Amino acid sequence: SQTIHQWPATLVQPVGSPLSLECTVEGTSNPNLYWYRQAAGRGLQLLFYSVGIGQISSEVPQNLSASRPQDRQFILSSKKLLLSDSGFYLCAWSVLGDSYNSPLHFGNGTRLTVT
Amino acid sequence: AQKITQTQPGMFVQEKEAVTLDCTYDTSDPSYGLFWYKQPSSGEMIFLIYQGSYDQQNATEGRYSLNFQKARKSANLVISASQLGDSAMYFCAMREGEDDYKLSFGAGTTVTVRA
Repeated sequence: SQTIHQWPATLVQPVGSPLSLECTVEGTSNPNLYWYRQAAGRGLQLLFYSVGIGQISSEVPQNLSASRPQDRQFILSSKKLLLSDSGFYLCAWSVLGDSYNSPLHFGNGTRLTVT
Repeated sequence: AQKITQTQPGMFVQEKEAVTLDCTYDTSDPSYGLFWYKQPSSGEMIFLIYQGSYDQQNATEGRYSLNFQKARKSANLVISASQLGDSAMYFCAMREGEDDYKLSFGAGTTVTVRA
């Protein structure tokens, strides 16, 4: 069965420090991968998605970047964190070539607090 | 324009009773999928149920059913026989045929089940 791992679970970082969040998927090949952010008590906002190694699409211009160095690995990064980067970050995957009738499957999330 | 609207920020329901969570959507694409997710306080997003735009019957999954009214563009979730473990935030989401990589979320509804 497919599983998705996301770490760390919680992170407290000072303003101006770098960020690296990692997500890996097991049990499937060539997944679509996604990074979402959730502000406190709000819905989810799509940040990045990827349909293959090195292929990254950005939904919202911001202080973050994403990379996909391996088929089942998706990394969210920042060179200098802002206070507004605080939030709950969720990685998700779906089957490559899927369509509007397929759900996304989410990791357990990373709660980031920028101080 | 908001693609998914959930107008109930919070609801209380008595244990063993049914609860209906409202969701309306906006799209001009004839092909789309509607999803409901549950997010407990621990943060993970759990996929509950799916309804496709071409489905003739309402979707059901155990105690979850989806009241799909296409002409009204609504996709309400019904949870029957509520349990204490149903206390969580519930999100309605949509994938559209033309932008089918993207899952757009509503703001969510918090459900609290009372004993």
